[in-house]
Amino acid sequence: NAGVTQTPKFQVLKTGQSMTLQCAQDMNHEYMSWYRQDPGMGLRLIHYSVGAGITDQGEVPNGYNVSRSTTEDFPLRLLSAAPSQTSVYFCASSPVTGTGHYGYTFGSGTRLTVV
Amino acid sequence: ILNVEQSPQSLHVQEGDSTNFTCSFPSSNFYALHWYRWETAKSPEALFVMTLNGDEKKKGRISATLNTKEGYSYLYIKGSQPEDSATYLCARNAGNMLTFGGGTRLMVKP
Repeated sequence: NAGVTQTPKFQVLKTGQSMTLQCAQDMNHEYMSWYRQDPGMGLRLIHYSVGAGITDQGEVPNGYNVSRSTTEDFPLRLLSAAPSQTSVYFCASSPVTGTGHYGYTFGSGTRLTVV
Repeated sequence: ILNVEQSPQSLHVQEGDSTNFTCSFPSSNFYALHWYRWETAKSPEALFVMTLNGDEKKKGRISATLNTKEGYSYLYIKGSQPEDSATYLCARNAGNMLTFGGGTRLMVKP
């Protein structure tokens, strides 16, 4: 059972380039989310999804797009990378939406550097 | 309290010491309070999820309490061991959004 798988683990982008961070889970979890982690800022929610076809914005959504075409996959797209998007990105999933009564399962993270 | 706040930011203890951390959060629109353990170079792992005022949870030497009326939770570690060294995160759930505190970094010296 792989849990939450994120790819790539590391990426360097030039300013203005686009890319997609992949996240897949094999636990049939309804809820999936993306966080970024910056020094001194803690984990901040970018976007989340409560099921296939449904996404919503979190605390810091600007510059990012998401889609959820299947239960398993929740990719995060950077449309035009900026140095301010240099961060470590975590994908997390949970069995059930709406109540927060279950702990989240986190992926291993993607370290992104934009130069 | 608008955000989830944790104190202290960091803590150095000797092996065998008992310690505790605080998590403060907005008490309105409360669904659940999560605690996570985050070791360096790994991803956060769920320790506890607490939902009811007065909840107490325990896992080995680690325990947590919850006061939803005044908006705080305590995490206790009894007899700290070097392998307890990690960052401990709390997070408040209000529906579909989990808001994290900045974490308490614990370092246990042998």
